[in-house]
Amino acid sequence: RKEVEQDPGPFNVPEGATVAFNCTYSNSASQSFFWYRQDCRKEPKLLMSVYSSGNEDGRFTAQLNRASQYISLLIRDSKLSDSATYLCVVTVSGGYQKVTFGTGTKLQVIP
Amino acid sequence: EPEVTQTPSHQVTQMGQEVILRCVPISNHLYFYWYRQILGQKVEFLVSFYNNEISEKSEIFDDQFSVERPDGSNFTLKIRSTKLEDSAMYFCASRGRSGEAFFGQGTRLTVV
Repeated sequence: RKEVEQDPGPFNVPEGATVAFNCTYSNSASQSFFWYRQDCRKEPKLLMSVYSSGNEDGRFTAQLNRASQYISLLIRDSKLSDSATYLCVVTVSGGYQKVTFGTGTKLQVIP
Repeated sequence: EPEVTQTPSHQVTQMGQEVILRCVPISNHLYFYWYRQILGQKVEFLVSFYNNEISEKSEIFDDQFSVERPDGSNFTLKIRSTKLEDSAMYFCASRGRSGEAFFGQGTRLTVV
């Protein structure tokens, strides 16, 4: 089983739609969780951290389910500018901090 | 806002040549990483570096690859003898004690 798994998509959704991505992780010792956004040929950029209690930032909501070992990202009222690849990132702390990326989910918002 | 900087932004090299990719992480960060991304594919972990040594490396990071942090600020990735399949975007990242990793803008390596 891959350490961090995502549905690669693509998800093609109309403007204004709500879309949700899931990500599963295999290491139960994982401690920190993030969603990054990557535009074509650019570096990944932090979209939001994911907290145990769930968190919201405008149209974006992230949730963590430790028991089932998955995190989710919900985007409401999709905009054309939301088109990108969304990367699930999981960190495990040991003697150092291992940062593992999912394969990414591609989102295309259509006019 | 502090940022990770990478140079060069684009490097073209002939197969078999050595290349050095340079990164300046955020100054008070402790953990440093190199990733690569072949065009259209996922971000792949290469190596992590902590406390002046490699803490983990992937299968991709074979004997052709090495990393150094020679002067406490720069963090370099060296590829000794480049192959065509090394063509990719290489991202450097750094991280503090907790929180997210910050990425540089990447170096596009083209091996011809």
